[in-house]
Parts: sequence; structure tokens; C-alpha cells
Amino acid sequence: DIQMTQSPSSLSASVGDRVTITCRASQSISSNLNWYQQKPGKAPNLLIYAASSLQSGVPSRFSGSGSGTDFTLTISSLQREDFATYYCQQSYSTPRTFGQGTNLEIK
Amino acid sequence: QVQLQESGPGLVKPSQTLSLTCTVSGGSISNAGFYWSWIRQHPGKGLEWIGYIYYNGATYYSPSLKSQVYMSVDTSKNQFSLNLHSMTAADTAVYYCAREVYSSSSIGINWFDPWGQGILVTVSS
Repeated sequence: DIQMTQSPSSLSASVGDRVTITCRASQSISSNLNWYQQKPGKAPNLLIYAASSLQSGVPSRFSGSGSGTDFTLTISSLQREDFATYYCQQSYSTPRTFGQGTNLEIK
Repeated sequence: QVQLQESGPGLVKPSQTLSLTCTVSGGSISNAGFYWSWIRQHPGKGLEWIGYIYYNGATYYSPSLKSQVYMSVDTSKNQFSLNLHSMTAADTAVYYCAREVYSSSSIGINWFDPWGQGILVTVSS
């Protein structure tokens, strides 16, 4: 199985901050990497697919980059509604695997 | 707009079989380009992929759960189902159904969207 490791596991930031979350795969996964946002009691919501493609309806302050084993999710200017948990997920092979999550909290 | 909705029991006794159904609305489950997936989340934990089924009945299960899982599809009802046998407390989780979109032109460019709202299943006597 491909292991996905996110860092940091938790992060405190303020409204307006620029935030970067990192995801590392245990082997090369090309650009087969997705990012999801999950709020408490809700299902995950797709933000970014194929490493850098913004899902329709997702604000442009979210962006993704990377290929191979190292990927980043960047939020350019945090809004209050962005405080949530973020997960990366590889679609390169089965079984599909997710990172452990990054909990983004208000400072 | 495609929507997914899980249904089933919220409480299962140890050793019993969990049966969940996901109803798809706003689109046909028989359309090509999609895998119909189950994913679970243990309380306070991360996401675990269980497996998927294609509209023609082809399946792929996670190796870690393969001996415990069975999935089926009913195209006439636009539904797909998950059976999880020999449930234990370790199977207590929120279970999500989700559509995995795949690209026929770019291998591996797949993503989960949309997701159902999730159903909490507790294993307890």
C-alpha cells in the first residue's frame, strides 16, 4: 500500500494568513493526488484533484502543487470558514489511501 | 446534481453482519466513468477506503478488509450496497458512500465526489 504522510498534523493560524499543508507519498504517484476539506460532523468535500486542478465551486484562494512524492495545499488568505481538517488522498493505485489529516485551528 | 444517501442500521451486535445501502439520485449508476465506493472513518480518526463496485458488478476490495466485505449493485433501483461480516467493536465508524470519478484518458486521475452524508454505525451488544 502507498502510505500518505501529512505535515503538520495540526496547525494554528489567523484569518488572513497564508497556510501551506504538505503531503508526502511513500512512492511516486505522479500527479494522482487529491485534497479534501472536512468540517465536524460533515462528509469530506473535494477541493483539488490531480494535484493542482481546482474543483468547480471551490474558492480560488485554494491551490495545489507537486508531483512524484511531494505535494502541497496552499490557502492564500485564510477565511473563517476554512478552519477544518484537510486530507490528501492518492489515486495512483489501489487500495486508495489517505493522509492522517491536518487539523487547521483558529489562533 | 448527483447526490448520495446512505441508509441502514445505526447499531449492530458483535459477530453480526452490517448491511448498508447507498441510493444515488440525480444521475444513473449505470453511467460509465464512475466507481461506486465505500469509505469509513473511525471516531476521531482518519479515512479508510473499503472498496468499490462498478455498475456491471465488478468489485475491488481493500486487502485489509477483503475477507469481511461484500458489495453489490442494483441498477434498477440506482443503489449499491455494502455487507460487512463478523462485525466487532473495531468496526464502529461513520460509513460513507462516494462516487469515484475516473478519467478514461488519464490513468490514475480519479477523485471522490460527491460523498453521502455518512451514517454512524456502532457495534455493541
